[in-house]
Amino acid sequence: DAGVTQSPTHLIKTRGQQVTLRCSPISGHKSVSWYQQVLGQGPQFIFQYYEKEERGRGNFPDRFSARQFPNYSSELNVNALLLGDSALYLCASSQNSATNEKLFFGSGTQLSVL
Amino acid sequence: GDSVTQMEGPVTLSEEAFLTINCTYTATGYPSLFWYVQYPGEGLQLLLKATKADDKGSNKGFEATYRKETTSFHLEKGSVQVSDSAVYFCALSDRDDMRFGAGTRLTVKP
Repeated sequence: DAGVTQSPTHLIKTRGQQVTLRCSPISGHKSVSWYQQVLGQGPQFIFQYYEKEERGRGNFPDRFSARQFPNYSSELNVNALLLGDSALYLCASSQNSATNEKLFFGSGTQLSVL
Repeated sequence: GDSVTQMEGPVTLSEEAFLTINCTYTATGYPSLFWYVQYPGEGLQLLLKATKADDKGSNKGFEATYRKETTSFHLEKGSVQVSDSAVYFCALSDRDDMRFGAGTRLTVKP
């Protein structure tokens, strides 16, 4: 079975632009979470979606939004990009919405904002 | 809010050395505790977990015990291998989300 897949793997944008990152969870997994990992730090929770509904939101500005589709794939959108948004964006899937569930992570999308 | 503090790296060991990576947590409730590992070029993988006090998680020779009295979840391995070189993240989950420590980079030399 395929693992969690994310696209694109790398992305370069300029300040003020908008970006959309995509994630396909493991087959059968209904929960998708998004994390931001700045270089040298641990992942920071952005969103969790379960059954197409937002179940959790971290401490990120409204420029960050996400959604989950009927096939459980997900998109993360970031508007009005800032230099500080440069990071590795990780998607993780799990079978249900419990926060102590084992998370399966993708390899991430490396976003560089110039 | 809940948080995790882990030992700063990097840590460099010789093959077959004993490994300890310290992790302490702050939580208002009774979180579950995890160690995730990130090998070069890969996503994070769950290494082990413990869901209540005194539980011991173990996997691939790694162990960690959930110590409520010291609010700790230290990672140990008796004999490391070159293939254990990676970044290790301590994490906790509470009612709302999963929180990660900053990560500890381990390099094992032959």
